[in-house]
Amino acid sequence: GAVVSQHPSRVICKSGTSVKIECRSLDFQATTMFWYRQFPKKSLMLMATSNEGSKATYEQGVEKDKFLINHASLTLSTLTVTSAHPEDSSFYICSARIRDGETQYFGPGTRLLVL
Amino acid sequence: AQSVTQLDSHVSVSEGTPVLLRCNYSSSYSPSLFWYVQHPNKGLQLLLKYTSAATLVKGINGFEAEFKKSETSFHLTKPSAHMSDAAEYFCVVSDLPSAGANNLFFGTGTRLTVIP
Repeated sequence: GAVVSQHPSRVICKSGTSVKIECRSLDFQATTMFWYRQFPKKSLMLMATSNEGSKATYEQGVEKDKFLINHASLTLSTLTVTSAHPEDSSFYICSARIRDGETQYFGPGTRLLVL
Repeated sequence: AQSVTQLDSHVSVSEGTPVLLRCNYSSSYSPSLFWYVQHPNKGLQLLLKYTSAATLVKGINGFEAEFKKSETSFHLTKPSAHMSDAAEYFCVVSDLPSAGANNLFFGTGTRLTVIP
């Protein structure tokens, strides 16, 4: 149980285009989902916290207009990287948590390469 | 505030020898603690979790960790390393979970290399 999927696993796009990444909890209802970014050989950096039916809460320094997050249902959250630039190239990982739970279950990650 | 220190950024062991990955935490209360493993280009997999029950926690793939409050430590061990254990390991402390907010604080990670 507690499986989280991400799609796509890898995406290459041109600079200036937008890319949407999906995060799904497959066998549980996730009231809260989280989006992280990971740079090579580094730990995870929390970008935003997404609650079902509410606006996402962004960490300091993360542009909310650039990284659009939608959490429309208890099993799906999406991250859209708008007008992507090469510096947005990174590994993006989502996680999901049940209400009042402690454990976050992580997706397999999405590798984004912006040319 | 909660924080985690992973004392070694890189640990190298020979196959078949014991593994020790060190983690110290800081918390204003009795925390929950996790170890996650990340293989290259993959997401994080939960290895084990401590939640104030038994202080010795057994996880998957033969790993275990011992919570020592007096030392504020939660070191990860395995008696015999396999080649497949080569990965990045994160020690994580949990804040009191509150609805809608992040609760996890990550260490900087320890890269485990297993030498054949």
